[in-house]
Amino acid sequence: DVKVTQSSRYLVKRTGEKVFLECVQDMDHENMFWYRQDPGLGLRLIYFSYDVKMKEKGDIPEGYSVSREKKERFSLILESASTNQTSMYLCATTPTSLLDTQYFGPGTRLTVL
Amino acid sequence: KNEVEQSPQNLTAQEGEFITINCSYSVGISALHWLQQHPGGGIVSLFMLSSGKKKHGRLIATINIQEKHSSLHITASHPRDSAVYICAVTLDSNYQLIWGAGTKLIIKP
Repeated sequence: DVKVTQSSRYLVKRTGEKVFLECVQDMDHENMFWYRQDPGLGLRLIYFSYDVKMKEKGDIPEGYSVSREKKERFSLILESASTNQTSMYLCATTPTSLLDTQYFGPGTRLTVL
Repeated sequence: KNEVEQSPQNLTAQEGEFITINCSYSVGISALHWLQQHPGGGIVSLFMLSSGKKKHGRLIATINIQEKHSSLHITASHPRDSAVYICAVTLDSNYQLIWGAGTKLIIKP
């Protein structure tokens, strides 16, 4: 079974803090994704990565950056957290093709005060 | 107008009822996905389909490509089916995923 883990289930940070969210997968999947989920809006893609050190902007990359130094690990960074970044953050992976089934982590609920 | 629309947004039913959740889309797709999200956040993929019908246990997913419409059915619903059900489509142009807003289903015992 594919296992996708995220560093925290719940996180509370203050405005202006730098925030790191980490995602680790154990199945050698090529593609990794970061989404945020807000009520009524569905999932929105922030960034994705199709290989080590490669990244592509999604629909809402502003205020975020990512890092993929190792294949199994994909980090989402909020350089200076703001209250409008309070959300549920979900990491997902697919084996090779973007058409493949996505496997999701448990999510991190981030609150920025 | 959203490219992927789900209906209803919320659905409450009694245990044992037959449930139907609908998904309509307005773009060209390679595949359509149904996913389930339980309270607490974790999302699980239920089906990926590009034509016809798929069945897994009490869950059935159908898609009509001409009408750009898919349905997810749950037979003999149970309180443990209570979750948010999400429809997503893979665009045939660039393989990007477009997500519906989800349908919150509550099954009462």
